[in-house]
Amino acid sequence: AQSVAQPEDQVNVAEGNPLTVKCTYSVSGNPYLFWYVQYPNRGLQFLLKYITGDNLVKGSYGFEAEFNKSQTSFHLKKPSALVSDSALYFCAVLNTGNQFYFGTGTSLTVIP
Amino acid sequence: DTGVSQDPRHKITKRGQNVTFRCDPISEHNRLYWYRQTLGQGPEFLTYFQNEAQLEKSRLLSDRFSAERPKGSFSTLEIQRTEQGDSAMYLCASTGRTVDGNTIYFGEGSWLTVV
Repeated sequence: AQSVAQPEDQVNVAEGNPLTVKCTYSVSGNPYLFWYVQYPNRGLQFLLKYITGDNLVKGSYGFEAEFNKSQTSFHLKKPSALVSDSALYFCAVLNTGNQFYFGTGTSLTVIP
Repeated sequence: DTGVSQDPRHKITKRGQNVTFRCDPISEHNRLYWYRQTLGQGPEFLTYFQNEAQLEKSRLLSDRFSAERPKGSFSTLEIQRTEQGDSAMYLCASTGRTVDGNTIYFGEGSWLTVV
C-alpha cells in the first residue's frame, strides 16, 4: 500500500533562514509525490509534485522539493523563509488507483 | 473558472439531522474526490468519482455517509443521522484529463459542527 509519513508535527525556523519539512514515502512502483499547503480555515493549495525526471522539483512561492529514491524521501525546502510561509504543510502520494493519500501534516512557524 | 466550489462553507446542525454538502469541480475535470479533515490531522480519503461512476466508496466512514455525482458534474455528500463525531471539515477536490491530470485541486471546504 502507498503511504507517506511526516515525522515532524512542528517545525520552527527564523525568518530568512532555510527551511526543510520532511516527508518519507512507502510505495510500490514509481511514486507520484506532492506537497500541499493549508492556511487556517482554508482548503489545500498545490505547491509542487514529482512524477518523473529531475530529482529537484521547483514549485510555487519559491518552494522546492528533492526526490531521493534511495532514502525514500521527498523533503520540502525553501532557501529563505518568510513569516507568510507559516502554515500547515502536507505531503501526499497518488496510488495506482488514482487515490491521493496524505500525511498527517507539519505545522511550520516562521519566527520574525 | 475560478476553481472548485463548495457549499455551504459552514453548517451547524443538531445531532440526528441530515446534512448535504455540494461540490462543483473545475470545469471539465472528470475525477472528483471527497475528503474529511479533523483538527490537527491530514485529509482522510472518503470516496471518488470518475465522471458519474463512483469508483471507490469503501472508505466512507459508515453507511450514514453517501455521495452522488449524477451527471458527472457537481457532486453531493450526504450525512444522515449526524453524530457529534461527524464534526469536521469536508473537502472536495477535482482533477482532469489534461496534462496536469495528476494534480488535484481543492475547494475551500465545508465546515460541519454537530451540536
